[in-house]
Amino acid sequence: DAGVIQSPRHEVTEMGQEVTLRCKPISGHDYLFWYRQTMMRGLELLIYFNNNVPIDDSGMPEDRFSAKMPNASFSTLKIQPSEPRDSAVYFCASRRQGGGNTIYFGEGSWLTVV
Amino acid sequence: GIQVEQSPPDLILQEGANSTLRCNFSDSVNNLQWFHQNPWGQLINLFYIPSGTKQNGRLSATTVATERYSLLYISSSQTTDSGVYFCAVDLAGGATNKLIFGTGTLLAVQP
Repeated sequence: DAGVIQSPRHEVTEMGQEVTLRCKPISGHDYLFWYRQTMMRGLELLIYFNNNVPIDDSGMPEDRFSAKMPNASFSTLKIQPSEPRDSAVYFCASRRQGGGNTIYFGEGSWLTVV
Repeated sequence: GIQVEQSPPDLILQEGANSTLRCNFSDSVNNLQWFHQNPWGQLINLFYIPSGTKQNGRLSATTVATERYSLLYISSSQTTDSGVYFCAVDLAGGATNKLIFGTGTLLAVQP
C-alpha cells in the first residue's frame, strides 16, 4: 500500500504569498491530521478530520491558516498570506478507525518563507 | 494542559550498546505511542502502548500507566537507530486523536 503522500516536499516562498500544501491519506483511513514541527514548539496538532469533516481546529494558529478535505482522498492546508514565522515542516497523517490507533505520517512538506 | 517530558534530551552511544529512554506524563492517558524520526525527517510509529509491555525485535516498550511513565528500550543499537524518539499521549476521557508529543530524545549511534 502507498503511504501518506504529501506535496510539495519542499517550498520556498516570499512573505505575503499564498501557500497550499496537499495530502493524500492512506486509502480506507477515516482520520486525517495536519501537524506542524518547529524547533521552538516541537510537533503540534493543527487540525484533524474524521470522514472528511473537520473535528477540531483549535490548533490552527490564526485566520491565515485554513484546511479543507473535499473528499476522502485529498486534503489541503493553505496559508494566506504567509509569514516568515510559518517556516516549518508540515506533516499530514492518517489512521483507520479501529486500526489500533496506529497513525501513519507522510514525509512532510518543508516550508521556508523568506 | 498535560505535560509530556522525555529524558535524556540527547544521547550518544557506541554501536552495540543498550539504552533506555523515558517518557513521563502528568495526567492519566488512554493512548501512548512511541515514534522514531529518522535523520531524513520521516516519522515512524514504533509502538502503541497505553499500558503493559511490547517487543519488536531489538526494541521493546513498557508503560506503567498508574505511575505515569513509559520506557523505550533499545538493545544492541545500530547506526540506523539514530534520530529523534518521541512519545505522544492522549488524555484519558478526551478525544483519542489529539496526540500531544513530548520534546523528544535525540539519539546518535556511532560506528
